[in-house]
Amino acid sequence: QKEVEQNSGPLSVPEGAIASLNCTYSDRGSQSFFWYRQYSGKSPELIMSIYSNGDKEDGRFTAQLNKASQYVSLLIRDSQPSDSATYLCAVKDFGNEKLTFGTGTRLTIIP
Amino acid sequence: NAGVMQNPRHLVRRRGQEARLRCSPMKGHSHVYWYRQLPEEGLKFMVYLQKENIIDESGMPKERFSAEFPKEGPSILRIQQVVRGDSAAYFCASSAPRTSVNEQFFGPGTRLTVL
Repeated sequence: QKEVEQNSGPLSVPEGAIASLNCTYSDRGSQSFFWYRQYSGKSPELIMSIYSNGDKEDGRFTAQLNKASQYVSLLIRDSQPSDSATYLCAVKDFGNEKLTFGTGTRLTIIP
Repeated sequence: NAGVMQNPRHLVRRRGQEARLRCSPMKGHSHVYWYRQLPEEGLKFMVYLQKENIIDESGMPKERFSAEFPKEGPSILRIQQVVRGDSAAYFCASSAPRTSVNEQFFGPGTRLTVL
């Protein structure tokens, strides 16, 4: 059974600080990794995708991938109250188009 | 609006009725995926379709659930003889024809309530 694990939180971070979200996955064949943001009652919104080891930056967001340790993380710099949401980690395997999601980490930015 | 479209946004059915959920992919996308999110649970893959083909239905319940993506028109997820346990948010996602990363973009979802 392929698993994607996330700390459910809630994770509370002061406004302006760095929020760090982590995700581990069980299948070494996993190829691509995604972070989605989901506000309460809304649909998931794609924030970042990453498939190579290392860091990928997009504005205030940085995704980090370490395939040897089987973890992927998302850093949010200069956290804003509008970043308060549930963050979903998703994993795609080679040759398989479906995404396997973690249960999400609830992030709260404290003004 | 070139985003993924789903309708209806909210659907109420009584036990035993049929539910039909529709999804139109983003412009230029030909791959459609259906996911279900039960209350307080994560998103679970149900089925992956391309035009006129079901590619992967490994997440579909064996009975009462079916999906199609006809040559013309939206993709449809059909749930026959609904039960209370079918109450959930059903999300459709779409992606462009095969890319190296396969980013999937989600529609607003259909929230199904079974009375």
